[in-house]
Order: sequence, then C-alpha cells, then structure tokens
Amino acid sequence: EIVLTQSPGTLSLSPGERATLSCRASQSVSSSYLAWYQQKPGQAPRLVFYGASSRATGIPDRFSASGSGTDFTLTISRLEPEDFAVYYCQQYVGSQITFGQGTRLESK
Amino acid sequence: EVQLVESGGGLVQPGGSLRLSCAASGFTFSNYEMNWVRQAPGKGLEWVSYISGGGGTKYYADSVKGRFTISRDNPKNSLYLQMNSLRVEDTAVYYCTRGRYDSWGHLDYWGQGTLVTVSS
Repeated sequence: EIVLTQSPGTLSLSPGERATLSCRASQSVSSSYLAWYQQKPGQAPRLVFYGASSRATGIPDRFSASGSGTDFTLTISRLEPEDFAVYYCQQYVGSQITFGQGTRLESK
Repeated sequence: EVQLVESGGGLVQPGGSLRLSCAASGFTFSNYEMNWVRQAPGKGLEWVSYISGGGGTKYYADSVKGRFTISRDNPKNSLYLQMNSLRVEDTAVYYCTRGRYDSWGHLDYWGQGTLVTVSS
C-alpha cells in the first residue's frame, strides 16, 4: 500500500499570504493518479486538482499544483478567506485508493 | 446538476448490519464508476469500496473486505453498500462519490454523507 504523508499538519497564515502544502509518497506515484481535495467544516470534500496539475471545475487560478515521483505540492498564491480548510492529497493505483492524513490551513 | 444523496445511516450495535443507499441524478449513472469513502469523527478520509459502471468489477479496502458488499442498480440510478459484522471502528460518515469519466480514482462529486454509528 502506498502511504501518503502530508506536511505540515497545520499551517497558520494570513489572508493574502502564500500557502505551500506538501504530500510525500512512500513509493513513486504516477502524477496522472494524484489528486488534491479541499474540505471545509461540515461539508463534503471537493476535488481541487487531479492528474497532479489539472484544476477541477470552478477552482480559481490562484491554486496550482505540481510534482512527480514521490513529492507533490499544492500552492495557493494569495490566500482568500474561503481557502482556509483541510486539504487532502490522494492517489490511486491498481485496485486501491489512499489518502494523506490532511493539512489544516488555518487563519492566523 | 449532478446530485448524490445518501441514506440509510443510523445507530447499530456491534456485529449488526446496515445497508446504505445513494440516489444519483443529473448524469448517466451507468457510464460512471462509483466509490464509497468514509470519515471517522474528527479524522481523515478513508476509501472503502469501488464498483465499475456495469457492476462487474468491485474493489474493497482491506479493513472492510469480507464484511462489506458494494452493488448498484443502474435502472434505478442507485448505489448501495451492505455492511455486515459492523465494528465500533466502522463508525463514520459515509460518502457516495463519483469517479471522473477518465479516471475512476479521482472523485469529482460527493454526496453530503450519512452517519453510521456502531455502539452498544
């Protein structure tokens, strides 16, 4: 099973600042099978990126994603109040899906 | 508009059974692969199970294999999760999710979730 480790666990930033979230895989992951989700309190998760760098419908372009192999990054260039949430990376290979443990992005 | 609406959650004793349902609308249900994902209270996301569009291929997480069964009824636009031999650690919100048309593991729509509580 591929284990995804996200860092940091919690990121405290102010609106307007840049956020960089990391996701590291225990073994190489095809970028085609890597995704990011956003979850706000009391809501279902929402797909943000798929295929490592393809933005999902409705996601603003201040969000970007990159990476390959075992290291992937989600970047939010200038934080807006609605961006504060928990972010999960996720991969699928063969017959299994695994998620990272999440990074909580909180307003300072 | 794509909608996924789960139902069937509730309180059940350890060792009991429950059947979750998901009503899908706004898309051609039979064309899409579907998954169940769960989230224990205050915890992260855990994938549970997958089913192909025609229902012939199914996958399960090791934690539920042999106890849970995923199925679908395409004419009724419905997805199901039969959960047997429930354990306290199965307590979670269960989400019905749709896989993207070109990548089954990228979950582009999620229901609002249904809470399953396993407790004596």
